[in-house]
Amino acid sequence: DADVTQTPRNRITKTGKRIMLECSQTKGHDRMYWYRQDPGLGLRLIYYSFDVKDINKGEISDGYSVSRQAQAKFSLSLESAIPNQTALYFCATSDFAGKRGTDTQYFGPGTRLTVL
Amino acid sequence: RKEVEQDPGPFNVPEGATVAFNCTYSNSASQSFFWYRQDCRKEPKLLMSVYSSGNEDGRFTAQLNRASQYISLLIRDSKLSDSATYLCVGNGGYNKLIFGAGTRLAVHP
Repeated sequence: DADVTQTPRNRITKTGKRIMLECSQTKGHDRMYWYRQDPGLGLRLIYYSFDVKDINKGEISDGYSVSRQAQAKFSLSLESAIPNQTALYFCATSDFAGKRGTDTQYFGPGTRLTVL
Repeated sequence: RKEVEQDPGPFNVPEGATVAFNCTYSNSASQSFFWYRQDCRKEPKLLMSVYSSGNEDGRFTAQLNRASQYISLLIRDSKLSDSATYLCVGNGGYNKLIFGAGTRLAVHP
């Protein structure tokens, strides 16, 4: 079974609809992240959470919200979807970085979201 | 200017060729760097970490030049299975990663 799973894998929705993307992990990591990927722009950080009580905005948080329901679950919501939120969304996890400061992030398989 | 910049490619090379990608970064405070590999429509996966001057793993060699603020990835004896997009990644502080847009590699027979 995959260590990091995302649901749904594909979603088509209409402008103005509320949508939730879910992420679950079995790696036991405290840190979880949501990214979006657009052609030519690379991955951009939306929100991140270092433990259940910690939520932080990333580079492009406007129009998104998150919920960390448990150590293993981190969901991303679009309250009122708009077409420029059409993208590939990835969830990722990592363990405590320690002295190195940055540790490996493990990505889920992605959710392809289309907003019409 | 993007914090991490890469040539988007594509790099089209024959099997067996040696190919090198460069990546430049703007944050001189970045301490660690990574190369991730991403296959089409799949998730990124860690290829190599670059914590000091460089790292080698089989056919892959990554080097870091702090004075010039660039990271390179060298692939020797290219295989068809090496065809993918290679993402250069730097740390943005406190376990946050900054991704380049990626360099596409296509290895042909």
